Amino acid sequence: DTGVSQDPRHKITKRGQNVTFRCDPISEHNRLYWYRQTLGQGPEFLTYFQNEAQLEKSRLLSDRFSAERPKGSFSTLEIQRTEQGDSAMYLCASRLTNSPLHFGNGTRLTVT
Amino acid sequence: AQSVAQPEDQVNVAEGNPLTVKCTYSVSGNPYLFWYVQYPNRGLQFLLKYITGDNLVKGSYGFEAEFNKSQTSFHLKKPSALVSDSALYFCAVNDYKLSFGAGTTVTVRA
Repeated sequence: DTGVSQDPRHKITKRGQNVTFRCDPISEHNRLYWYRQTLGQGPEFLTYFQNEAQLEKSRLLSDRFSAERPKGSFSTLEIQRTEQGDSAMYLCASRLTNSPLHFGNGTRLTVT
Repeated sequence: AQSVAQPEDQVNVAEGNPLTVKCTYSVSGNPYLFWYVQYPNRGLQFLLKYITGDNLVKGSYGFEAEFNKSQTSFHLKKPSALVSDSALYFCAVNDYKLSFGAGTTVTVRA
């Protein structure tokens, strides 16, 4: 069990550019979640997958955001045409059904 | 919708003193409640959970939490705080996803 891994740890990009983040969950976990956290706030739910199926997307996830989990393993979160308001920590977490969430250390995005 | 609230933004205690971090919940049905801790520039770490059973739940690092149905509370406690307990603490409620409170910053002074 190597834990949930996220890459990159930090990303600085210019407004209007596209960015993609990767999450590798704990291998046997069937559920994978993406959250966004801004300074001084709790994590906000973005979306989650059960195996390869994306089961829910928050209204926070605009059309510029897309997430995938091919083959039910790793997941990617892409943000197109980034805006300064997208600057945040993006957290990935995984779990088995009805077990606690295990979080990665996050990807900190700064949009300049 | 299920939600939790953390009424205190900050809690300051002296090392060795008891630590309490407050959380209240609003759920329909039986609540599944969690506490997580976050250190700077890190993800969240699971501390403990309440599903059913004993109202006093014991977790990691000497923390415990008391579930109180009549007061709809799930306060996190530690009998003797350490400087290393200084961190950001989140209460959360679960349906198919976790919904988090805004967090409480705990500072333990030496």
